[in-house]
Amino acid sequence: AQTVTQSQPEMSVQEAETVTLSCTYDTSESDYYLFWYKQPPSRQMILVIRQEAYKQQNATENRFSVNFQKAAKSFSLKISDSQLGDAAMYFCALKPNFGNEKLTFGTGTRLTIIP
Amino acid sequence: SAVISQKPSRDICQRGTSLTIQCQVDSQVTMMFWYRQQPGQSLTLIATANQGSEATYESGFVIDKFPISRPNLTFSTLTVSNMSPEDSSIYLCSAPTANYGYTFGSGTRLTVV
Repeated sequence: AQTVTQSQPEMSVQEAETVTLSCTYDTSESDYYLFWYKQPPSRQMILVIRQEAYKQQNATENRFSVNFQKAAKSFSLKISDSQLGDAAMYFCALKPNFGNEKLTFGTGTRLTIIP
Repeated sequence: SAVISQKPSRDICQRGTSLTIQCQVDSQVTMMFWYRQQPGQSLTLIATANQGSEATYESGFVIDKFPISRPNLTFSTLTVSNMSPEDSSIYLCSAPTANYGYTFGSGTRLTVV
């Protein structure tokens, strides 16, 4: 079984500043994918970034990057130059690379952007 | 990536009635997933729907309460049966995409009164 833990229920950051959201996980699988999803008030789940466990290089997508520490089972999300539109719930999620392809989600972090 | 159209977007229902939520995917997908998201909480998987076979339900969810149909590779429905106020939640469908990510429907906000 997999578990995903997000220890920060809420975070806030000044507009244009940088914020890091934490995520730790546990799995017995050696091959898996990790995701960060964003859910704004519209309820739509939006994929922010994806990391393949067998890749050592940290994934980046424009202002979003991750710090993937496989041995520590840590997968944090860094948002640079925060914008008002970044305000949302952020969910960390894990999926094994085979078998039943269901996602295991963390409990989420609510990010507030301060103008 | 795939796009999922989910409807209705919201509904207010009387207790004891049933509501069917529909998800249409713009491409063929082998599996679809149905989630429940209670207010302010994370997503909880209800069941996995495969075309041509019965859905696989997670612990705590049963077919009589949440019957699922999957008539083809682009469509699925979830019915919330004999509703009570405790069923008030957001319900989301999801499907895998080609790049190992997942796409989600826009969610159905259900209020049971």
